[in-house]
Amino acid sequence: NAGVTQTPKFQVLKTGQSMTLQCAQDMNHEYMSWYRQDPGMGLRLIHYSVGAGITDQGEVPNGYNVSRSTTEDFPLRLLSAAPSQTSVYFCASALAGAQETQYFGPGTRLLVL
Amino acid sequence: LAKTTQPISMDSYEGQEVNITCSHNNIATNDYITWYQQFPSQGPRFIIQGYKTKVTNEVASLFIPADRKSSTLSLPRVSLSDTAVYYCLVGDWGSARQLTFGSGTQLTVLP
Repeated sequence: NAGVTQTPKFQVLKTGQSMTLQCAQDMNHEYMSWYRQDPGMGLRLIHYSVGAGITDQGEVPNGYNVSRSTTEDFPLRLLSAAPSQTSVYFCASALAGAQETQYFGPGTRLLVL
Repeated sequence: LAKTTQPISMDSYEGQEVNITCSHNNIATNDYITWYQQFPSQGPRFIIQGYKTKVTNEVASLFIPADRKSSTLSLPRVSLSDTAVYYCLVGDWGSARQLTFGSGTQLTVLP
């Protein structure tokens, strides 16, 4: 199993550009989530999904969109990048009902100029 | 979700036992206590979870007193590779939809 994979590993954007961060898992996990981590801080939840076709907002959803068309994939879209979205983004997955045991991807470092 | 408080940082030497205590005074009856570990430039990794008394696995032990208002993560004989941030989380994982990470404890193991 590859576990949770994220692409790209690093990305530089200009203010106003849009992009999609990709996340995929091969563990047949129903639950998937996106976090951002800013320097010296813990992780903050952006969006999460409890299954295909079902998504919900987390703590900091503004400026981000998600969709869940398949169990395996959970892309995160930045609609119009802003410098405040410079961060490290982590995707995670878990079995339904076992959200406390999340498996995290390696992260995507995003720099918005 | 119950709020947690843990030390910002701790230093230790190789070979020592390290105990990181987390305070969660408002823990609810259905809440479990979960610890994650995060190495630099990596995503967090689940290491241990408990409800009461003591839990032990190949990585760590978790001690929870009877009142459950605190918990202690114990790392036996740490090595340099245990340098990481350790997060304590509390929640009713049967119903909660999200993990809430605090700032964690930066453990630095010195040679």
